[in-house]
Amino acid sequence: KQEVTQIPAALSVPEGENLVLNCSFTDSAIYNLQWFRQDPGKGLTSLLLIQSSQREQTSGRLNASLDKSSGRSTLYIAASQPGDSATYLCAVTSGGGADGLTFGKGTHLIIQP
Amino acid sequence: NAGVTQTPKFQVLKTGQSMTLQCAQDMNHNSMYWYRQDPGMGLRLIYYSASEGTTDKGEVPNGYNVSRLNKREFSLRLESAAPSQTSVYFCASRGQGWANVLTFGAGSRLTVL
Repeated sequence: KQEVTQIPAALSVPEGENLVLNCSFTDSAIYNLQWFRQDPGKGLTSLLLIQSSQREQTSGRLNASLDKSSGRSTLYIAASQPGDSATYLCAVTSGGGADGLTFGKGTHLIIQP
Repeated sequence: NAGVTQTPKFQVLKTGQSMTLQCAQDMNHNSMYWYRQDPGMGLRLIYYSASEGTTDKGEVPNGYNVSRLNKREFSLRLESAAPSQTSVYFCASRGQGWANVLTFGAGSRLTVL
């Protein structure tokens, strides 16, 4: 059974810092990995989708990498801003279960002004 | 704006009452999902529909029923609400195949007294 872990569960950093969020998964046979952002009281917004054949994806100040063999993905946020404060979740699609999706529990990120 | 629309956004029920959460998407997606999100538990799949006319149980289906009314709409029904069903419910959809981005609605916050 696929398991997805996100460490740390919470992170607080000063504005302007570059930071890395981690996502690990136990079964490397995945189709893709998706990073989401969730603001308090809101739904999940997709940030980046990395297919299993890709190594990374970039969108603005965000860069997500994927290393299937080691079961790891990182989300790099450059020059963090208070508006980046949110919970970040990763999800892998690996064919298990009814929907093939397994979510991590998220990293709660606070950017201090 | 294109996306996933859920109604209602908030609902308070008494134990034993019934209600239906509505979900509609206008992206011509085949697959639709209902999740619940609880503190410390992450996102858990309730039911899933791969296409119009088909539904499958997820991780936590007990106490719920679903209907895939047409390609656009996927409803979740609580026949006899229980306090354990107090949660935030999210509908999501995805295009053909697991390579596509998963798109979420804004969520429905349900409280059962």
